[in-house]
Amino acid sequence: NAGVTQTPKFQVLKTGQSMTLQCAQDMNHEYMSWYRQDPGMGLRLIHYSVGAGITDQGEVPNGYNVSRSTTEDFPLRLLSAAPSQTSVYFCASKIGGELFFGEGSRLTVL
Amino acid sequence: KQEVTQIPAALSVPEGENLVLNCSFTDSAIYNLQWFRQDPGKGLTSLLLIQSSQREQTSGRLNASLDKSSGRSTLYIAASQPGDSATYLCAVYSGGGADGLTFGKGTHLIIQP
Repeated sequence: NAGVTQTPKFQVLKTGQSMTLQCAQDMNHEYMSWYRQDPGMGLRLIHYSVGAGITDQGEVPNGYNVSRSTTEDFPLRLLSAAPSQTSVYFCASKIGGELFFGEGSRLTVL
Repeated sequence: KQEVTQIPAALSVPEGENLVLNCSFTDSAIYNLQWFRQDPGKGLTSLLLIQSSQREQTSGRLNASLDKSSGRSTLYIAASQPGDSATYLCAVYSGGGADGLTFGKGTHLIIQP
């Protein structure tokens, strides 16, 4: 089991560029989510999904899109990157109330 | 709205000491509480999950307790080692909010050799 896998680990973007952060899990978990972690702000929920074809907004969804076409994959899209989106992004899956996190993707927007 | 507080924000102790990290929450109607460890530049690793019906969970030198009525959980680390240095976060699942999860901001722990 690889668990939760995120790619890329590091990315630098220019303002206005778009990109997709990939997240895959091999544990057959129905629930997946994306968080961003910023100094002093803790973890904040961006979007989450309770199963394939179902997504919902979290606390800070603006500027991000998600889709869930399969149980395994939950990509996070930035359509037009802004410096305020500079952060570390974590993908997680959950089963039985227990969360499992990926290693994170560090994004810098110049 | 559930709020989770972890005090202290930072802690530095000599190697070998037993120590306690605290996590408090405002709404006692929770389903479970999970403790995580985060090393610098890394993701969160699950340490212990306590269901609302449980009082404590143990894993090796770690023991987590839960007192729902007082809105508190503690993570006890026995015989601390430099390798225990990390940030420890707790997360409460209470079913409210977007996905029902509320995270504390963590306690940054340094174990001095």
